[in-house]
Amino acid sequence: EIVLTQSPGTLSLSPGERATLSCRASQSVSSAYLAWYQQKPGQAPRLLIYDTFNRATGTPDRFSGSGSGTDFTLTINGLEPEDFAVYYCQRYGNSLTWTFGQGTKVEIK
Amino acid sequence: QVQVVESGGGVVQPGGSLRLSCAASGFTLTSFGVHWVRQAPGKGLEWVAVLSHDENYKDYGDSVRGRFTISRDTSKDTLYLQLTSLRVEDTAVYYCARDVDLHFDLWGRGTLVTVSS
Repeated sequence: EIVLTQSPGTLSLSPGERATLSCRASQSVSSAYLAWYQQKPGQAPRLLIYDTFNRATGTPDRFSGSGSGTDFTLTINGLEPEDFAVYYCQRYGNSLTWTFGQGTKVEIK
Repeated sequence: QVQVVESGGGVVQPGGSLRLSCAASGFTLTSFGVHWVRQAPGKGLEWVAVLSHDENYKDYGDSVRGRFTISRDTSKDTLYLQLTSLRVEDTAVYYCARDVDLHFDLWGRGTLVTVSS
């Protein structure tokens, strides 16, 4: 079973700064099968990025995804007030399994 | 409006049962697979179960396999999750999520299940 480890657990930044979130898989993951979700308090998760690089409908272009193999990154260029939230990476496997990382909280410094 | 709406949550004693519903609107369950994902209070997301669009594939997370059953009523465009032998650790918000190419593009607001004596 592939385990996803996100780091850091909490990221304290100011509006306007760049956020770099990491998601590391215990085994190599196809880049076609990595997604990122944003969750705000009291709300459902929302798809941000799928297939490692592709922005979902409505995702601002300040969000970008990258990576391959076991290391994947979500970058937020120029944090806006509405970006402070928890972010989860997700692997969807060709063996039809779905795994989430434990989440990274981006908080206002 | 394209959405999924969960219902059926509540408070149940350990060992009890509950049936959750996920009503789809704006699309049909025969065109999309749908998943259940849960989130314990203050914790992260945990994948629970999936039913494929053609009902040929269903699967469960290890922590619920043998206790939970996923099904649907096509005539009502509604997905169900039958929860049995409930444990305290099953306490969570249960979300329904639509599958597009194996990632989840549409989520409901969730329904809270509390297992407590």
